[in-house]
Amino acid sequence: QKEVEQNSGPLSVPEGAIASLNCTYSDRGSQSFFWYRQYSGKSPELIMSIYSNGDKEDGRFTAQLNKASQYVSLLIRDSQPSDSATYLCAVNLGGTSYGKLTFGQGTILTVHP
Amino acid sequence: GAGVSQSPSNKVTEKGKDVELRCDPISGHTALYWYRQRLGQGLEFLIYFQGNSAPDKSGLPSDRFSAERTGESVSTLTIQRTQQEDSAVYLCASSLAGRTYNEQFFGPGTRLTVL
Repeated sequence: QKEVEQNSGPLSVPEGAIASLNCTYSDRGSQSFFWYRQYSGKSPELIMSIYSNGDKEDGRFTAQLNKASQYVSLLIRDSQPSDSATYLCAVNLGGTSYGKLTFGQGTILTVHP
Repeated sequence: GAGVSQSPSNKVTEKGKDVELRCDPISGHTALYWYRQRLGQGLEFLIYFQGNSAPDKSGLPSDRFSAERTGESVSTLTIQRTQQEDSAVYLCASSLAGRTYNEQFFGPGTRLTVL
């Protein structure tokens, strides 16, 4: 089992819809969770971080964390064509592994007009 | 403020040559990380520096790879005797401190092509 798994997609949604991106992780001791956006040919850009169970909202983005289910998700409301990118889920295991991020393979999102 | 910078942006080299990649972290960030991203793949952790502590080298794929950092400033990743499988984008990131909750910010990367 991979340490961090994402639905591989690609995910295609119409403009204005809600895009839902999912991520599961294997280590129950994981302590912090991040979503990065990566445009083609560019480096990852941090868009959300979440550390506690529940929802965290920032503009059109909402991150959801459920540690019991080892599940983290990202919702993008009112999706725009400019949101088309690869979304990377990253997990920090904490403890002696602090500092190291383990990434999922990414989900390709396409928002079509 | 200035973000993480990396140089060169692109490097083409011949198999067997040595290469050096440079990373300049965000000012005030004490933690620095190197990752590798092969074409169409996710990011692989390589090495992590936190202040004056011994670096975490657990992700380095072979002894051909090494990295140095002077204090809390610039870092250099060196790949000796490059192989074609070393072709990838090498990404550097920095954070305020190497603690669990600190967010990592990435530089633009160095695209390495080994012919």
